[in-house]
Amino acid sequence: GAVVSQHPSWVICKSGTSVKIECRSLDFQATTMFWYRQFPKQSLMLMATSNEGSKATYEQGVEKDKFLINHASLTLSTLTVTSAHPEDSSFYICSAFRYSNQPQHFGDGTRLSIL
Amino acid sequence: ELKVEQNPLFLSMQEGKNYTIYCNYSTTSDRLYWYRQDPGKSLESLFVLLSNGAVKQEGRLMASLDTKARLSTLHITAAVHDLSATYFCAVDSRQGAQKLVFGQGTRLTINP
Repeated sequence: GAVVSQHPSWVICKSGTSVKIECRSLDFQATTMFWYRQFPKQSLMLMATSNEGSKATYEQGVEKDKFLINHASLTLSTLTVTSAHPEDSSFYICSAFRYSNQPQHFGDGTRLSIL
Repeated sequence: ELKVEQNPLFLSMQEGKNYTIYCNYSTTSDRLYWYRQDPGKSLESLFVLLSNGAVKQEGRLMASLDTKARLSTLHITAAVHDLSATYFCAVDSRQGAQKLVFGQGTRLTINP
C-alpha cells in the first residue's frame, strides 16, 4: 500500500487563489520530504527540500514566497501555492524516504489547474 | 552541475522483443534509481543501484550500473504490453542525501 499520501489529487481554481497541498508519510517518520513539479510530457524538477523543524531549501529559480513550504511534523509537509496563476498549472508531486539507501516513495501527485 | 541524459526518449517496440534504455550522467555518483510512471500517475520505484557493477532484476526488467562509465542501463527482455510506460532514471547528486536529478524520461510503447 501507499506509504506517502498526497492530498488533494486534483484542484481547479481561479487565478489569484492560494492552494495548499498536503504530503504525509503514513508509516514512517520523514525528517526530509521533497517537492517536485512536472509539466506535461516532461521530467520531474525538484522544487524544494522540506526539512522538519527548519526552513525549506529551494532550488534555483523557485520563488520561496510563491511556494510556501511548512514541515511542522515528522509526518507532514505542506506546499502552498500563493496567488496562483495559469502558469503555475502543473502536476505537483511530493516524496519521502525511510532510509538513505532506499528509494524515495512518491505521493500520487496533485494536478493543479488554474483558470 | 549534474546532468542526466536518457536515450532514447521515445521507443516503440513489438511484444517479444528485447531493448535497452541508457542513462548517462555527468558527475560522480554511486546511487542511481529507476522509476516507472504510467500516464496521469505518480512514480513507482523499480530499482535502486548503490555501487559499481550493481545488477538488479525483476521480471522482464534488469538494471545495471557502471559508475566508472557513469552509465546505467535498463534492459527489457521479451517485452509485453503491460510494460508500456515512461521510465525515468534519477541520480543522487548529494551522496545519500537523495537530492535527485532526473533524466528526461523514456516513453516506451509496446505494441501487440
